[in-house]
Amino acid sequence: GAVVSQHPSRVICKSGTSVKIECRSLDFQATTMFWYRQFPKKSLMLMATSNEGSKATYEQGVEKDKFLINHASLTLSTLTVTSAHPEDSSFYICSARPLVTGGLEEQFFGPGTRLTVL
Amino acid sequence: GQNIDQPTEMTATEGAIVQINCTYQTSGFNGLFWYQQHAGEAPTFLSYNVLDGLEEKGRFSSFLSRSKGYSYLLLKELQMKDSASYLCAVMDSNYQLIWGAGTKLIIKP
Repeated sequence: GAVVSQHPSRVICKSGTSVKIECRSLDFQATTMFWYRQFPKKSLMLMATSNEGSKATYEQGVEKDKFLINHASLTLSTLTVTSAHPEDSSFYICSARPLVTGGLEEQFFGPGTRLTVL
Repeated sequence: GQNIDQPTEMTATEGAIVQINCTYQTSGFNGLFWYQQHAGEAPTFLSYNVLDGLEEKGRFSSFLSRSKGYSYLLLKELQMKDSASYLCAVMDSNYQLIWGAGTKLIIKP
């Protein structure tokens, strides 16, 4: 099956620092990767959609200068939370859509990154 | 606007059957997904329906009625490990997933 990895799985940082989260599709190429955040007991909230080689599309209310997304290749996307603050503490999940889906527009999810900003 | 509704929480007994409903209103429809999410983990894919009817996969089945904007996930022979949140998501005309808030399923012995 299709596997998506995320690194790191957990990170604790001080307020004001930047944190980079990597999302990799391990055994398939992904034209599109999605970044979500999820607060406790809440559903997934799409932050942005990134396509390889082009700028990410951010959802309304998501600051593009704060959440920097780079989709450098068909297997790697990174999310950098710049100048993190305690309110940025959340569970960040990426997903990837394969280059060839065979008709099923399925997304495969990474295991998530728990960010805690002190 | 786009909207996905599902119950917030349900409780069922081990060994029993439970049905989790999902109603939706979206701009376009390219399929409905059910995901299972255990606390602190990412969602895992359960099922996909794009045509009306029932899709059965082991203990789990998913039903879709596009005319009614309605789907359900049926879980049979419930096990304690089925305690999780179940997320309904619809893919709209832009191939973007619209997510429900999830149904927390509590299984009691």
